[in-house]
Amino acid sequence: DVKVTQSSRYLVKRTGEKVFLECVQDMDHENMFWYRQDPGLGLRLIYFSYDVKMKEKGDIPEGYSVSREKKERFSLILESASTNQTSMYLCASQGRNTGELFFGEGSRLTVL
Amino acid sequence: DAKTTQPNSMESNEEEPVHLPCNHSTISGTDYIHWYRQLPSQGPEYVIHGLTSNVNNRMASLAIAEDRKSSTLILHRATLRDAAVYYCILRYGGSQGNLIFGKGTKLSVKP
Repeated sequence: DVKVTQSSRYLVKRTGEKVFLECVQDMDHENMFWYRQDPGLGLRLIYFSYDVKMKEKGDIPEGYSVSREKKERFSLILESASTNQTSMYLCASQGRNTGELFFGEGSRLTVL
Repeated sequence: DAKTTQPNSMESNEEEPVHLPCNHSTISGTDYIHWYRQLPSQGPEYVIHGLTSNVNNRMASLAIAEDRKSSTLILHRATLRDAAVYYCILRYGGSQGNLIFGKGTKLSVKP
């Protein structure tokens, strides 16, 4: 069974902390994405990557950075967490020959 | 990507068929119609997609109008586990990359 695994389902952090959200996929997919999902706003794209060491900004990249050192792993970094980054974070991967997105279960981050 | 319109919510009874509508009057000839669903506390999952002909898979059927301006996702026998938000999305054929998720239809299934 294909899988996208996000490192933590629930995290609680304090304002100003550095936060790492990890995502690993086992499908040898080239494309990976980070979204956040908030009530009433739907899914919004933060960053995406079409290859190792490549990254592109999505619609709301401010306050975030990403790292793709290996094909299977795409990390989302909050350099200094703020309360408005409290959200559900979703990682997805996609093969280059198909448009289907495979999502992880999500990481619910609370910043106090 | 062209816009889709879905009802905010729908209700169904368990073990009955469910027809989830989607309007996409500005669809272009190369747009595929994709459906995803999101169960509570989960990430979205792929359900089905099609271009012109009706499509069936183990999860659902997709009925596409002849003029392609609307489509219907059909769950043949709803179960409680089908309670989710269902998203109808258009995607330019052959493309990769981001999918734009709208608000979807929240399906409730009553026992």
